[in-house]
Amino acid sequence: GDSVTQMEGPVTLSEEAFLTINCTYTATGYPSLFWYVQYPGEGLQLLLKATKADDKGSNKGFEATYRKETTSFHLEKGSVQVSDSAVYFCALSNTGGFKTIFGAGTRLFVKA
Amino acid sequence: SAVISQKPSRDICQRGTSLTIQCQVDSQVTMMFWYRQQPGQSLTLIATANQGSEATYESGFVIDKFPISRPNLTFSTLTVSNMSPEDSSIYLCSFAISGGSYNEQFFGPGTRLTVL
Repeated sequence: GDSVTQMEGPVTLSEEAFLTINCTYTATGYPSLFWYVQYPGEGLQLLLKATKADDKGSNKGFEATYRKETTSFHLEKGSVQVSDSAVYFCALSNTGGFKTIFGAGTRLFVKA
Repeated sequence: SAVISQKPSRDICQRGTSLTIQCQVDSQVTMMFWYRQQPGQSLTLIATANQGSEATYESGFVIDKFPISRPNLTFSTLTVSNMSPEDSSIYLCSFAISGGSYNEQFFGPGTRLTVL
């Protein structure tokens, strides 16, 4: 079945450091890919999405490119802030269905 | 976009009791979902709540333990029955909107349940 694998955390970075959180997926067909973010004490929010191969999703300085050849959707940010501290979930949704499959989540701590 | 709310936001319950969680969306949506997020874990889909029919449960979840109601297109409830400490989790409701080539989910703030 469909699945999402993302790097284990926690990831601890200093402010202004470069962030990469790896995500790979297994799916039939052509899924849509998402990154969700969960700030402390809150529900999940959609951070960015990509719906087809080579699409780049971006939001709030975060980017991820849908790589079909490597079945990957790595999250990157050039300069993290303390306010980016949260748990990040990679997810996929296959076309024709409303189910979303989530990765295990990666907790990010950013130190001032 | 629609706003989604949950009640209660948190609760502490005794073993063997039941808790009903309410989810309200401020516009009509077709698909609503209930997820469980155990401490430090990812989200696990419990069931899809369909208006006018029984909920569709995922493997490992049964109606007797997690009865769901969906009386209309803006509201759903999840009951956690005969609770044990293993049921301590965050329970999240969500709804999905089709964007044509993709389906995006919007989540409520969650209900943090602790079972003693």
